[in-house]
Amino acid sequence: KNQVEQSPQSLIILEGKNCTLQCNYTVSPFSNLRWYKQDTGRGPVSLTIMTFSENTKSNGRYTATLDADTKQSSLHITASQLSDSASYICVVSFTPNAGGTSYGKLTFGQGTILTVHP
Amino acid sequence: DGGITQSPKYLFRKEGQNVTLSCEQNLNHDAMYWYRQDPGQGLRLIYYSQIVNDFQKGDIAEGYSVSREKKESFPLTVTSAQKNPTAFYLCASRETGDEPFFGSGTQLSVL
Repeated sequence: KNQVEQSPQSLIILEGKNCTLQCNYTVSPFSNLRWYKQDTGRGPVSLTIMTFSENTKSNGRYTATLDADTKQSSLHITASQLSDSASYICVVSFTPNAGGTSYGKLTFGQGTILTVHP
Repeated sequence: DGGITQSPKYLFRKEGQNVTLSCEQNLNHDAMYWYRQDPGQGLRLIYYSQIVNDFQKGDIAEGYSVSREKKESFPLTVTSAQKNPTAFYLCASRETGDEPFFGSGTQLSVL
C-alpha cells in the first residue's frame, strides 16, 4: 500500500532557530515529491517539488532533500520566523501502471504542525 | 488574477440535509479534485474529474456526489448519507504533470 509518513507530528521551536521535518514514503513507482505549507483554515501552498534525480531544492529559507534509495525526504527551515507557524505536508506522486491517467496519483502525509514562539 | 475559489468559507448542516460546496477555477485546468481533511490525518480523495462531464470516485466517495457540467466548476454535495461530515474540504485543480493548486477550503460542521 502506498503510504507517506511524516515526523514529528508536531514541533515547537523558538523564533530564529532551525528545524528539520521528516517524510518517509513507500510510494511506487515514484514520480515526484512535494512539500506544502498550510496555514490554519487555508489551502496548502507549494514550497518545493523534487523529481527522482534531484537531491536538494531550496526556496528561500526552506531546503528540501530527497534520498530516493531510502525513500526519505526532509524539509529544513532556517532562521525560523513567527509566520512559519503552519502545517507542513509531504505529498508523493506516483504513476499507476494501469488506468491511462497522465496526471499521476497523489498520496498525502498527515502533516507536521510547526509552532514558532517568540 | 487566476485562481481557484471555494465558497462558502464556513457551512453548517442540519441532520438529514444535503449541502453543496462550490469550487470554481479560472486556470483553464482540465482536472479538478475534492479532498477531505480531518485533524491529524492526510488529505483523502473524495472525487476527481479529468474532463467535463466525467468524474471518478476517490478513496472515500460514499455519502458524496459531484457534477462537472462546466470546465470551470466542480461542486461537491454532501448528502444525508454521509454520517460524519464535519471536516475541512479542499478543492484543487491541475494540468497534466503540474502541481495541484488548492482553494482556501470550506469548513463544514454539523448543527
